[in-house]
Amino acid sequence: KAGVTQTPRYLIKTRGQQVTLSCSPISGHRSVSWYQQTPGQGLQFLFEYFSETQRNKGNFPGRFSGRQFSNSRSEMNVSTLELGDSALYLCASSLVVTGAGNTIYFGEGSWLTVV
Amino acid sequence: GQQVMQIPQYQHVQEGEDFTTYCNSSTTLSNIQWYKQRPGGHPVFLIQLVKSGEVKKQKRLTFQFGEAKKNSSLHITATQTTDVGTYFCAGLGTYKYIFGTGTRLKVLA
Repeated sequence: KAGVTQTPRYLIKTRGQQVTLSCSPISGHRSVSWYQQTPGQGLQFLFEYFSETQRNKGNFPGRFSGRQFSNSRSEMNVSTLELGDSALYLCASSLVVTGAGNTIYFGEGSWLTVV
Repeated sequence: GQQVMQIPQYQHVQEGEDFTTYCNSSTTLSNIQWYKQRPGGHPVFLIQLVKSGEVKKQKRLTFQFGEAKKNSSLHITATQTTDVGTYFCAGLGTYKYIFGTGTRLKVLA
């Protein structure tokens, strides 16, 4: 079966702009989590969506937001981009909401560069 | 807040040598997962440990979960160049996975 699909794979934005990243989970998976990966901070949890509801949120400013659609696809948005937002943004899907201890599967990520 | 630390941060080994990375949590974990991320790639799930003291093996890889469920280790026997990458542990805390800082493994042929 197809894996987790993230688009776009690479993008360059200017400070102050906003960006939307998309994630299509594995078919049948209803939970989508987003992570930010940077060399200095490692993998940091942004938020998780399950059944179109945000179930958990990490320690990121309100500029970072997300949503999930009825088909479980998810988008995350970052407004007023800062240089420090340059990172690999990873989407992960799982069958059910985290907390059940289920396996999470990562997409290949979206590389965002802010200039 | 919950923190998961991994040591060492980097490890260079000669091909054929063994390698171990350790993961320590500030709190008790419901379970722990291990991932491998190749350079330029994304994290790929390796294994999940749930029970206290659990040990699991995958070919040359041995995973262990501590008795107190606050630490874990990954041991690779006789490393190969294909083992190159960053190994992450992820502990299940309160409704989210907390990822360790990762151990970057380089294998010298």
